[in-house]
Amino acid sequence: QKEVEQNSGPLSVPEGAIASLNCTYSDRGSQSFFWYRQYSGKSPELIMFIYSNGDKEDGRFTAQLNKASQYVSLLIRDSQPSDSATYLCAVKRDSNYQLIWGAGTKLIIKP
Amino acid sequence: DAGVIQSPRHEVTEMGQEVTLRCKPISGHNSLFWYRQTMMRGLELLIYFNNNVPIDDSGMPEDRFSAKMPNASFSTLKIQPSEPRDSAVYFCASSQLAVTPQFFGPGTRLTVL
Repeated sequence: QKEVEQNSGPLSVPEGAIASLNCTYSDRGSQSFFWYRQYSGKSPELIMFIYSNGDKEDGRFTAQLNKASQYVSLLIRDSQPSDSATYLCAVKRDSNYQLIWGAGTKLIIKP
Repeated sequence: DAGVIQSPRHEVTEMGQEVTLRCKPISGHNSLFWYRQTMMRGLELLIYFNNNVPIDDSGMPEDRFSAKMPNASFSTLKIQPSEPRDSAVYFCASSQLAVTPQFFGPGTRLTVL
């Protein structure tokens, strides 16, 4: 079992709909959770991070964390073609510098 | 503010040659990370520096790889001799503290022929 798992996709979502990206992790000691967006040929770009159970909203993006079930999700409302990218989930253990990366989910927003 | 700066952006070299990749972290960040990304293996952490000191180099694949951070604003990753299997995108990332979010540079696409 991988430490951080994501569905590789591609996930195809119509423009204007909600895109839901999921990530599960195996280490219950994980404390910090990050979502990065990576366009083809570009570097990972931090979108959101979340430390506490519940939801965290930033514009069209909402991160949801459920530590009991060991999953973190990213919702993108009013999806736009420019949201088409690979989304990487990264998890950090408490007091540890190292990010454990998922393989990423490729998201395609269809006009 | 300037982000993480990497050079060169693209490097094509022949097997056996020495390759040096460079990175300037965000000013004020004391943690620096070198990553390698390939389709097969995804993002792999090569080495982590904290306050210019290498803390964890367990991800460095072989002795052919070495990294230095002579000061807070500059780091290098060297491959000598390079091999075709080293072809990948190499990213440098920095963070203010070890536990805060990491910010990535644009990467160096290395092709070893």
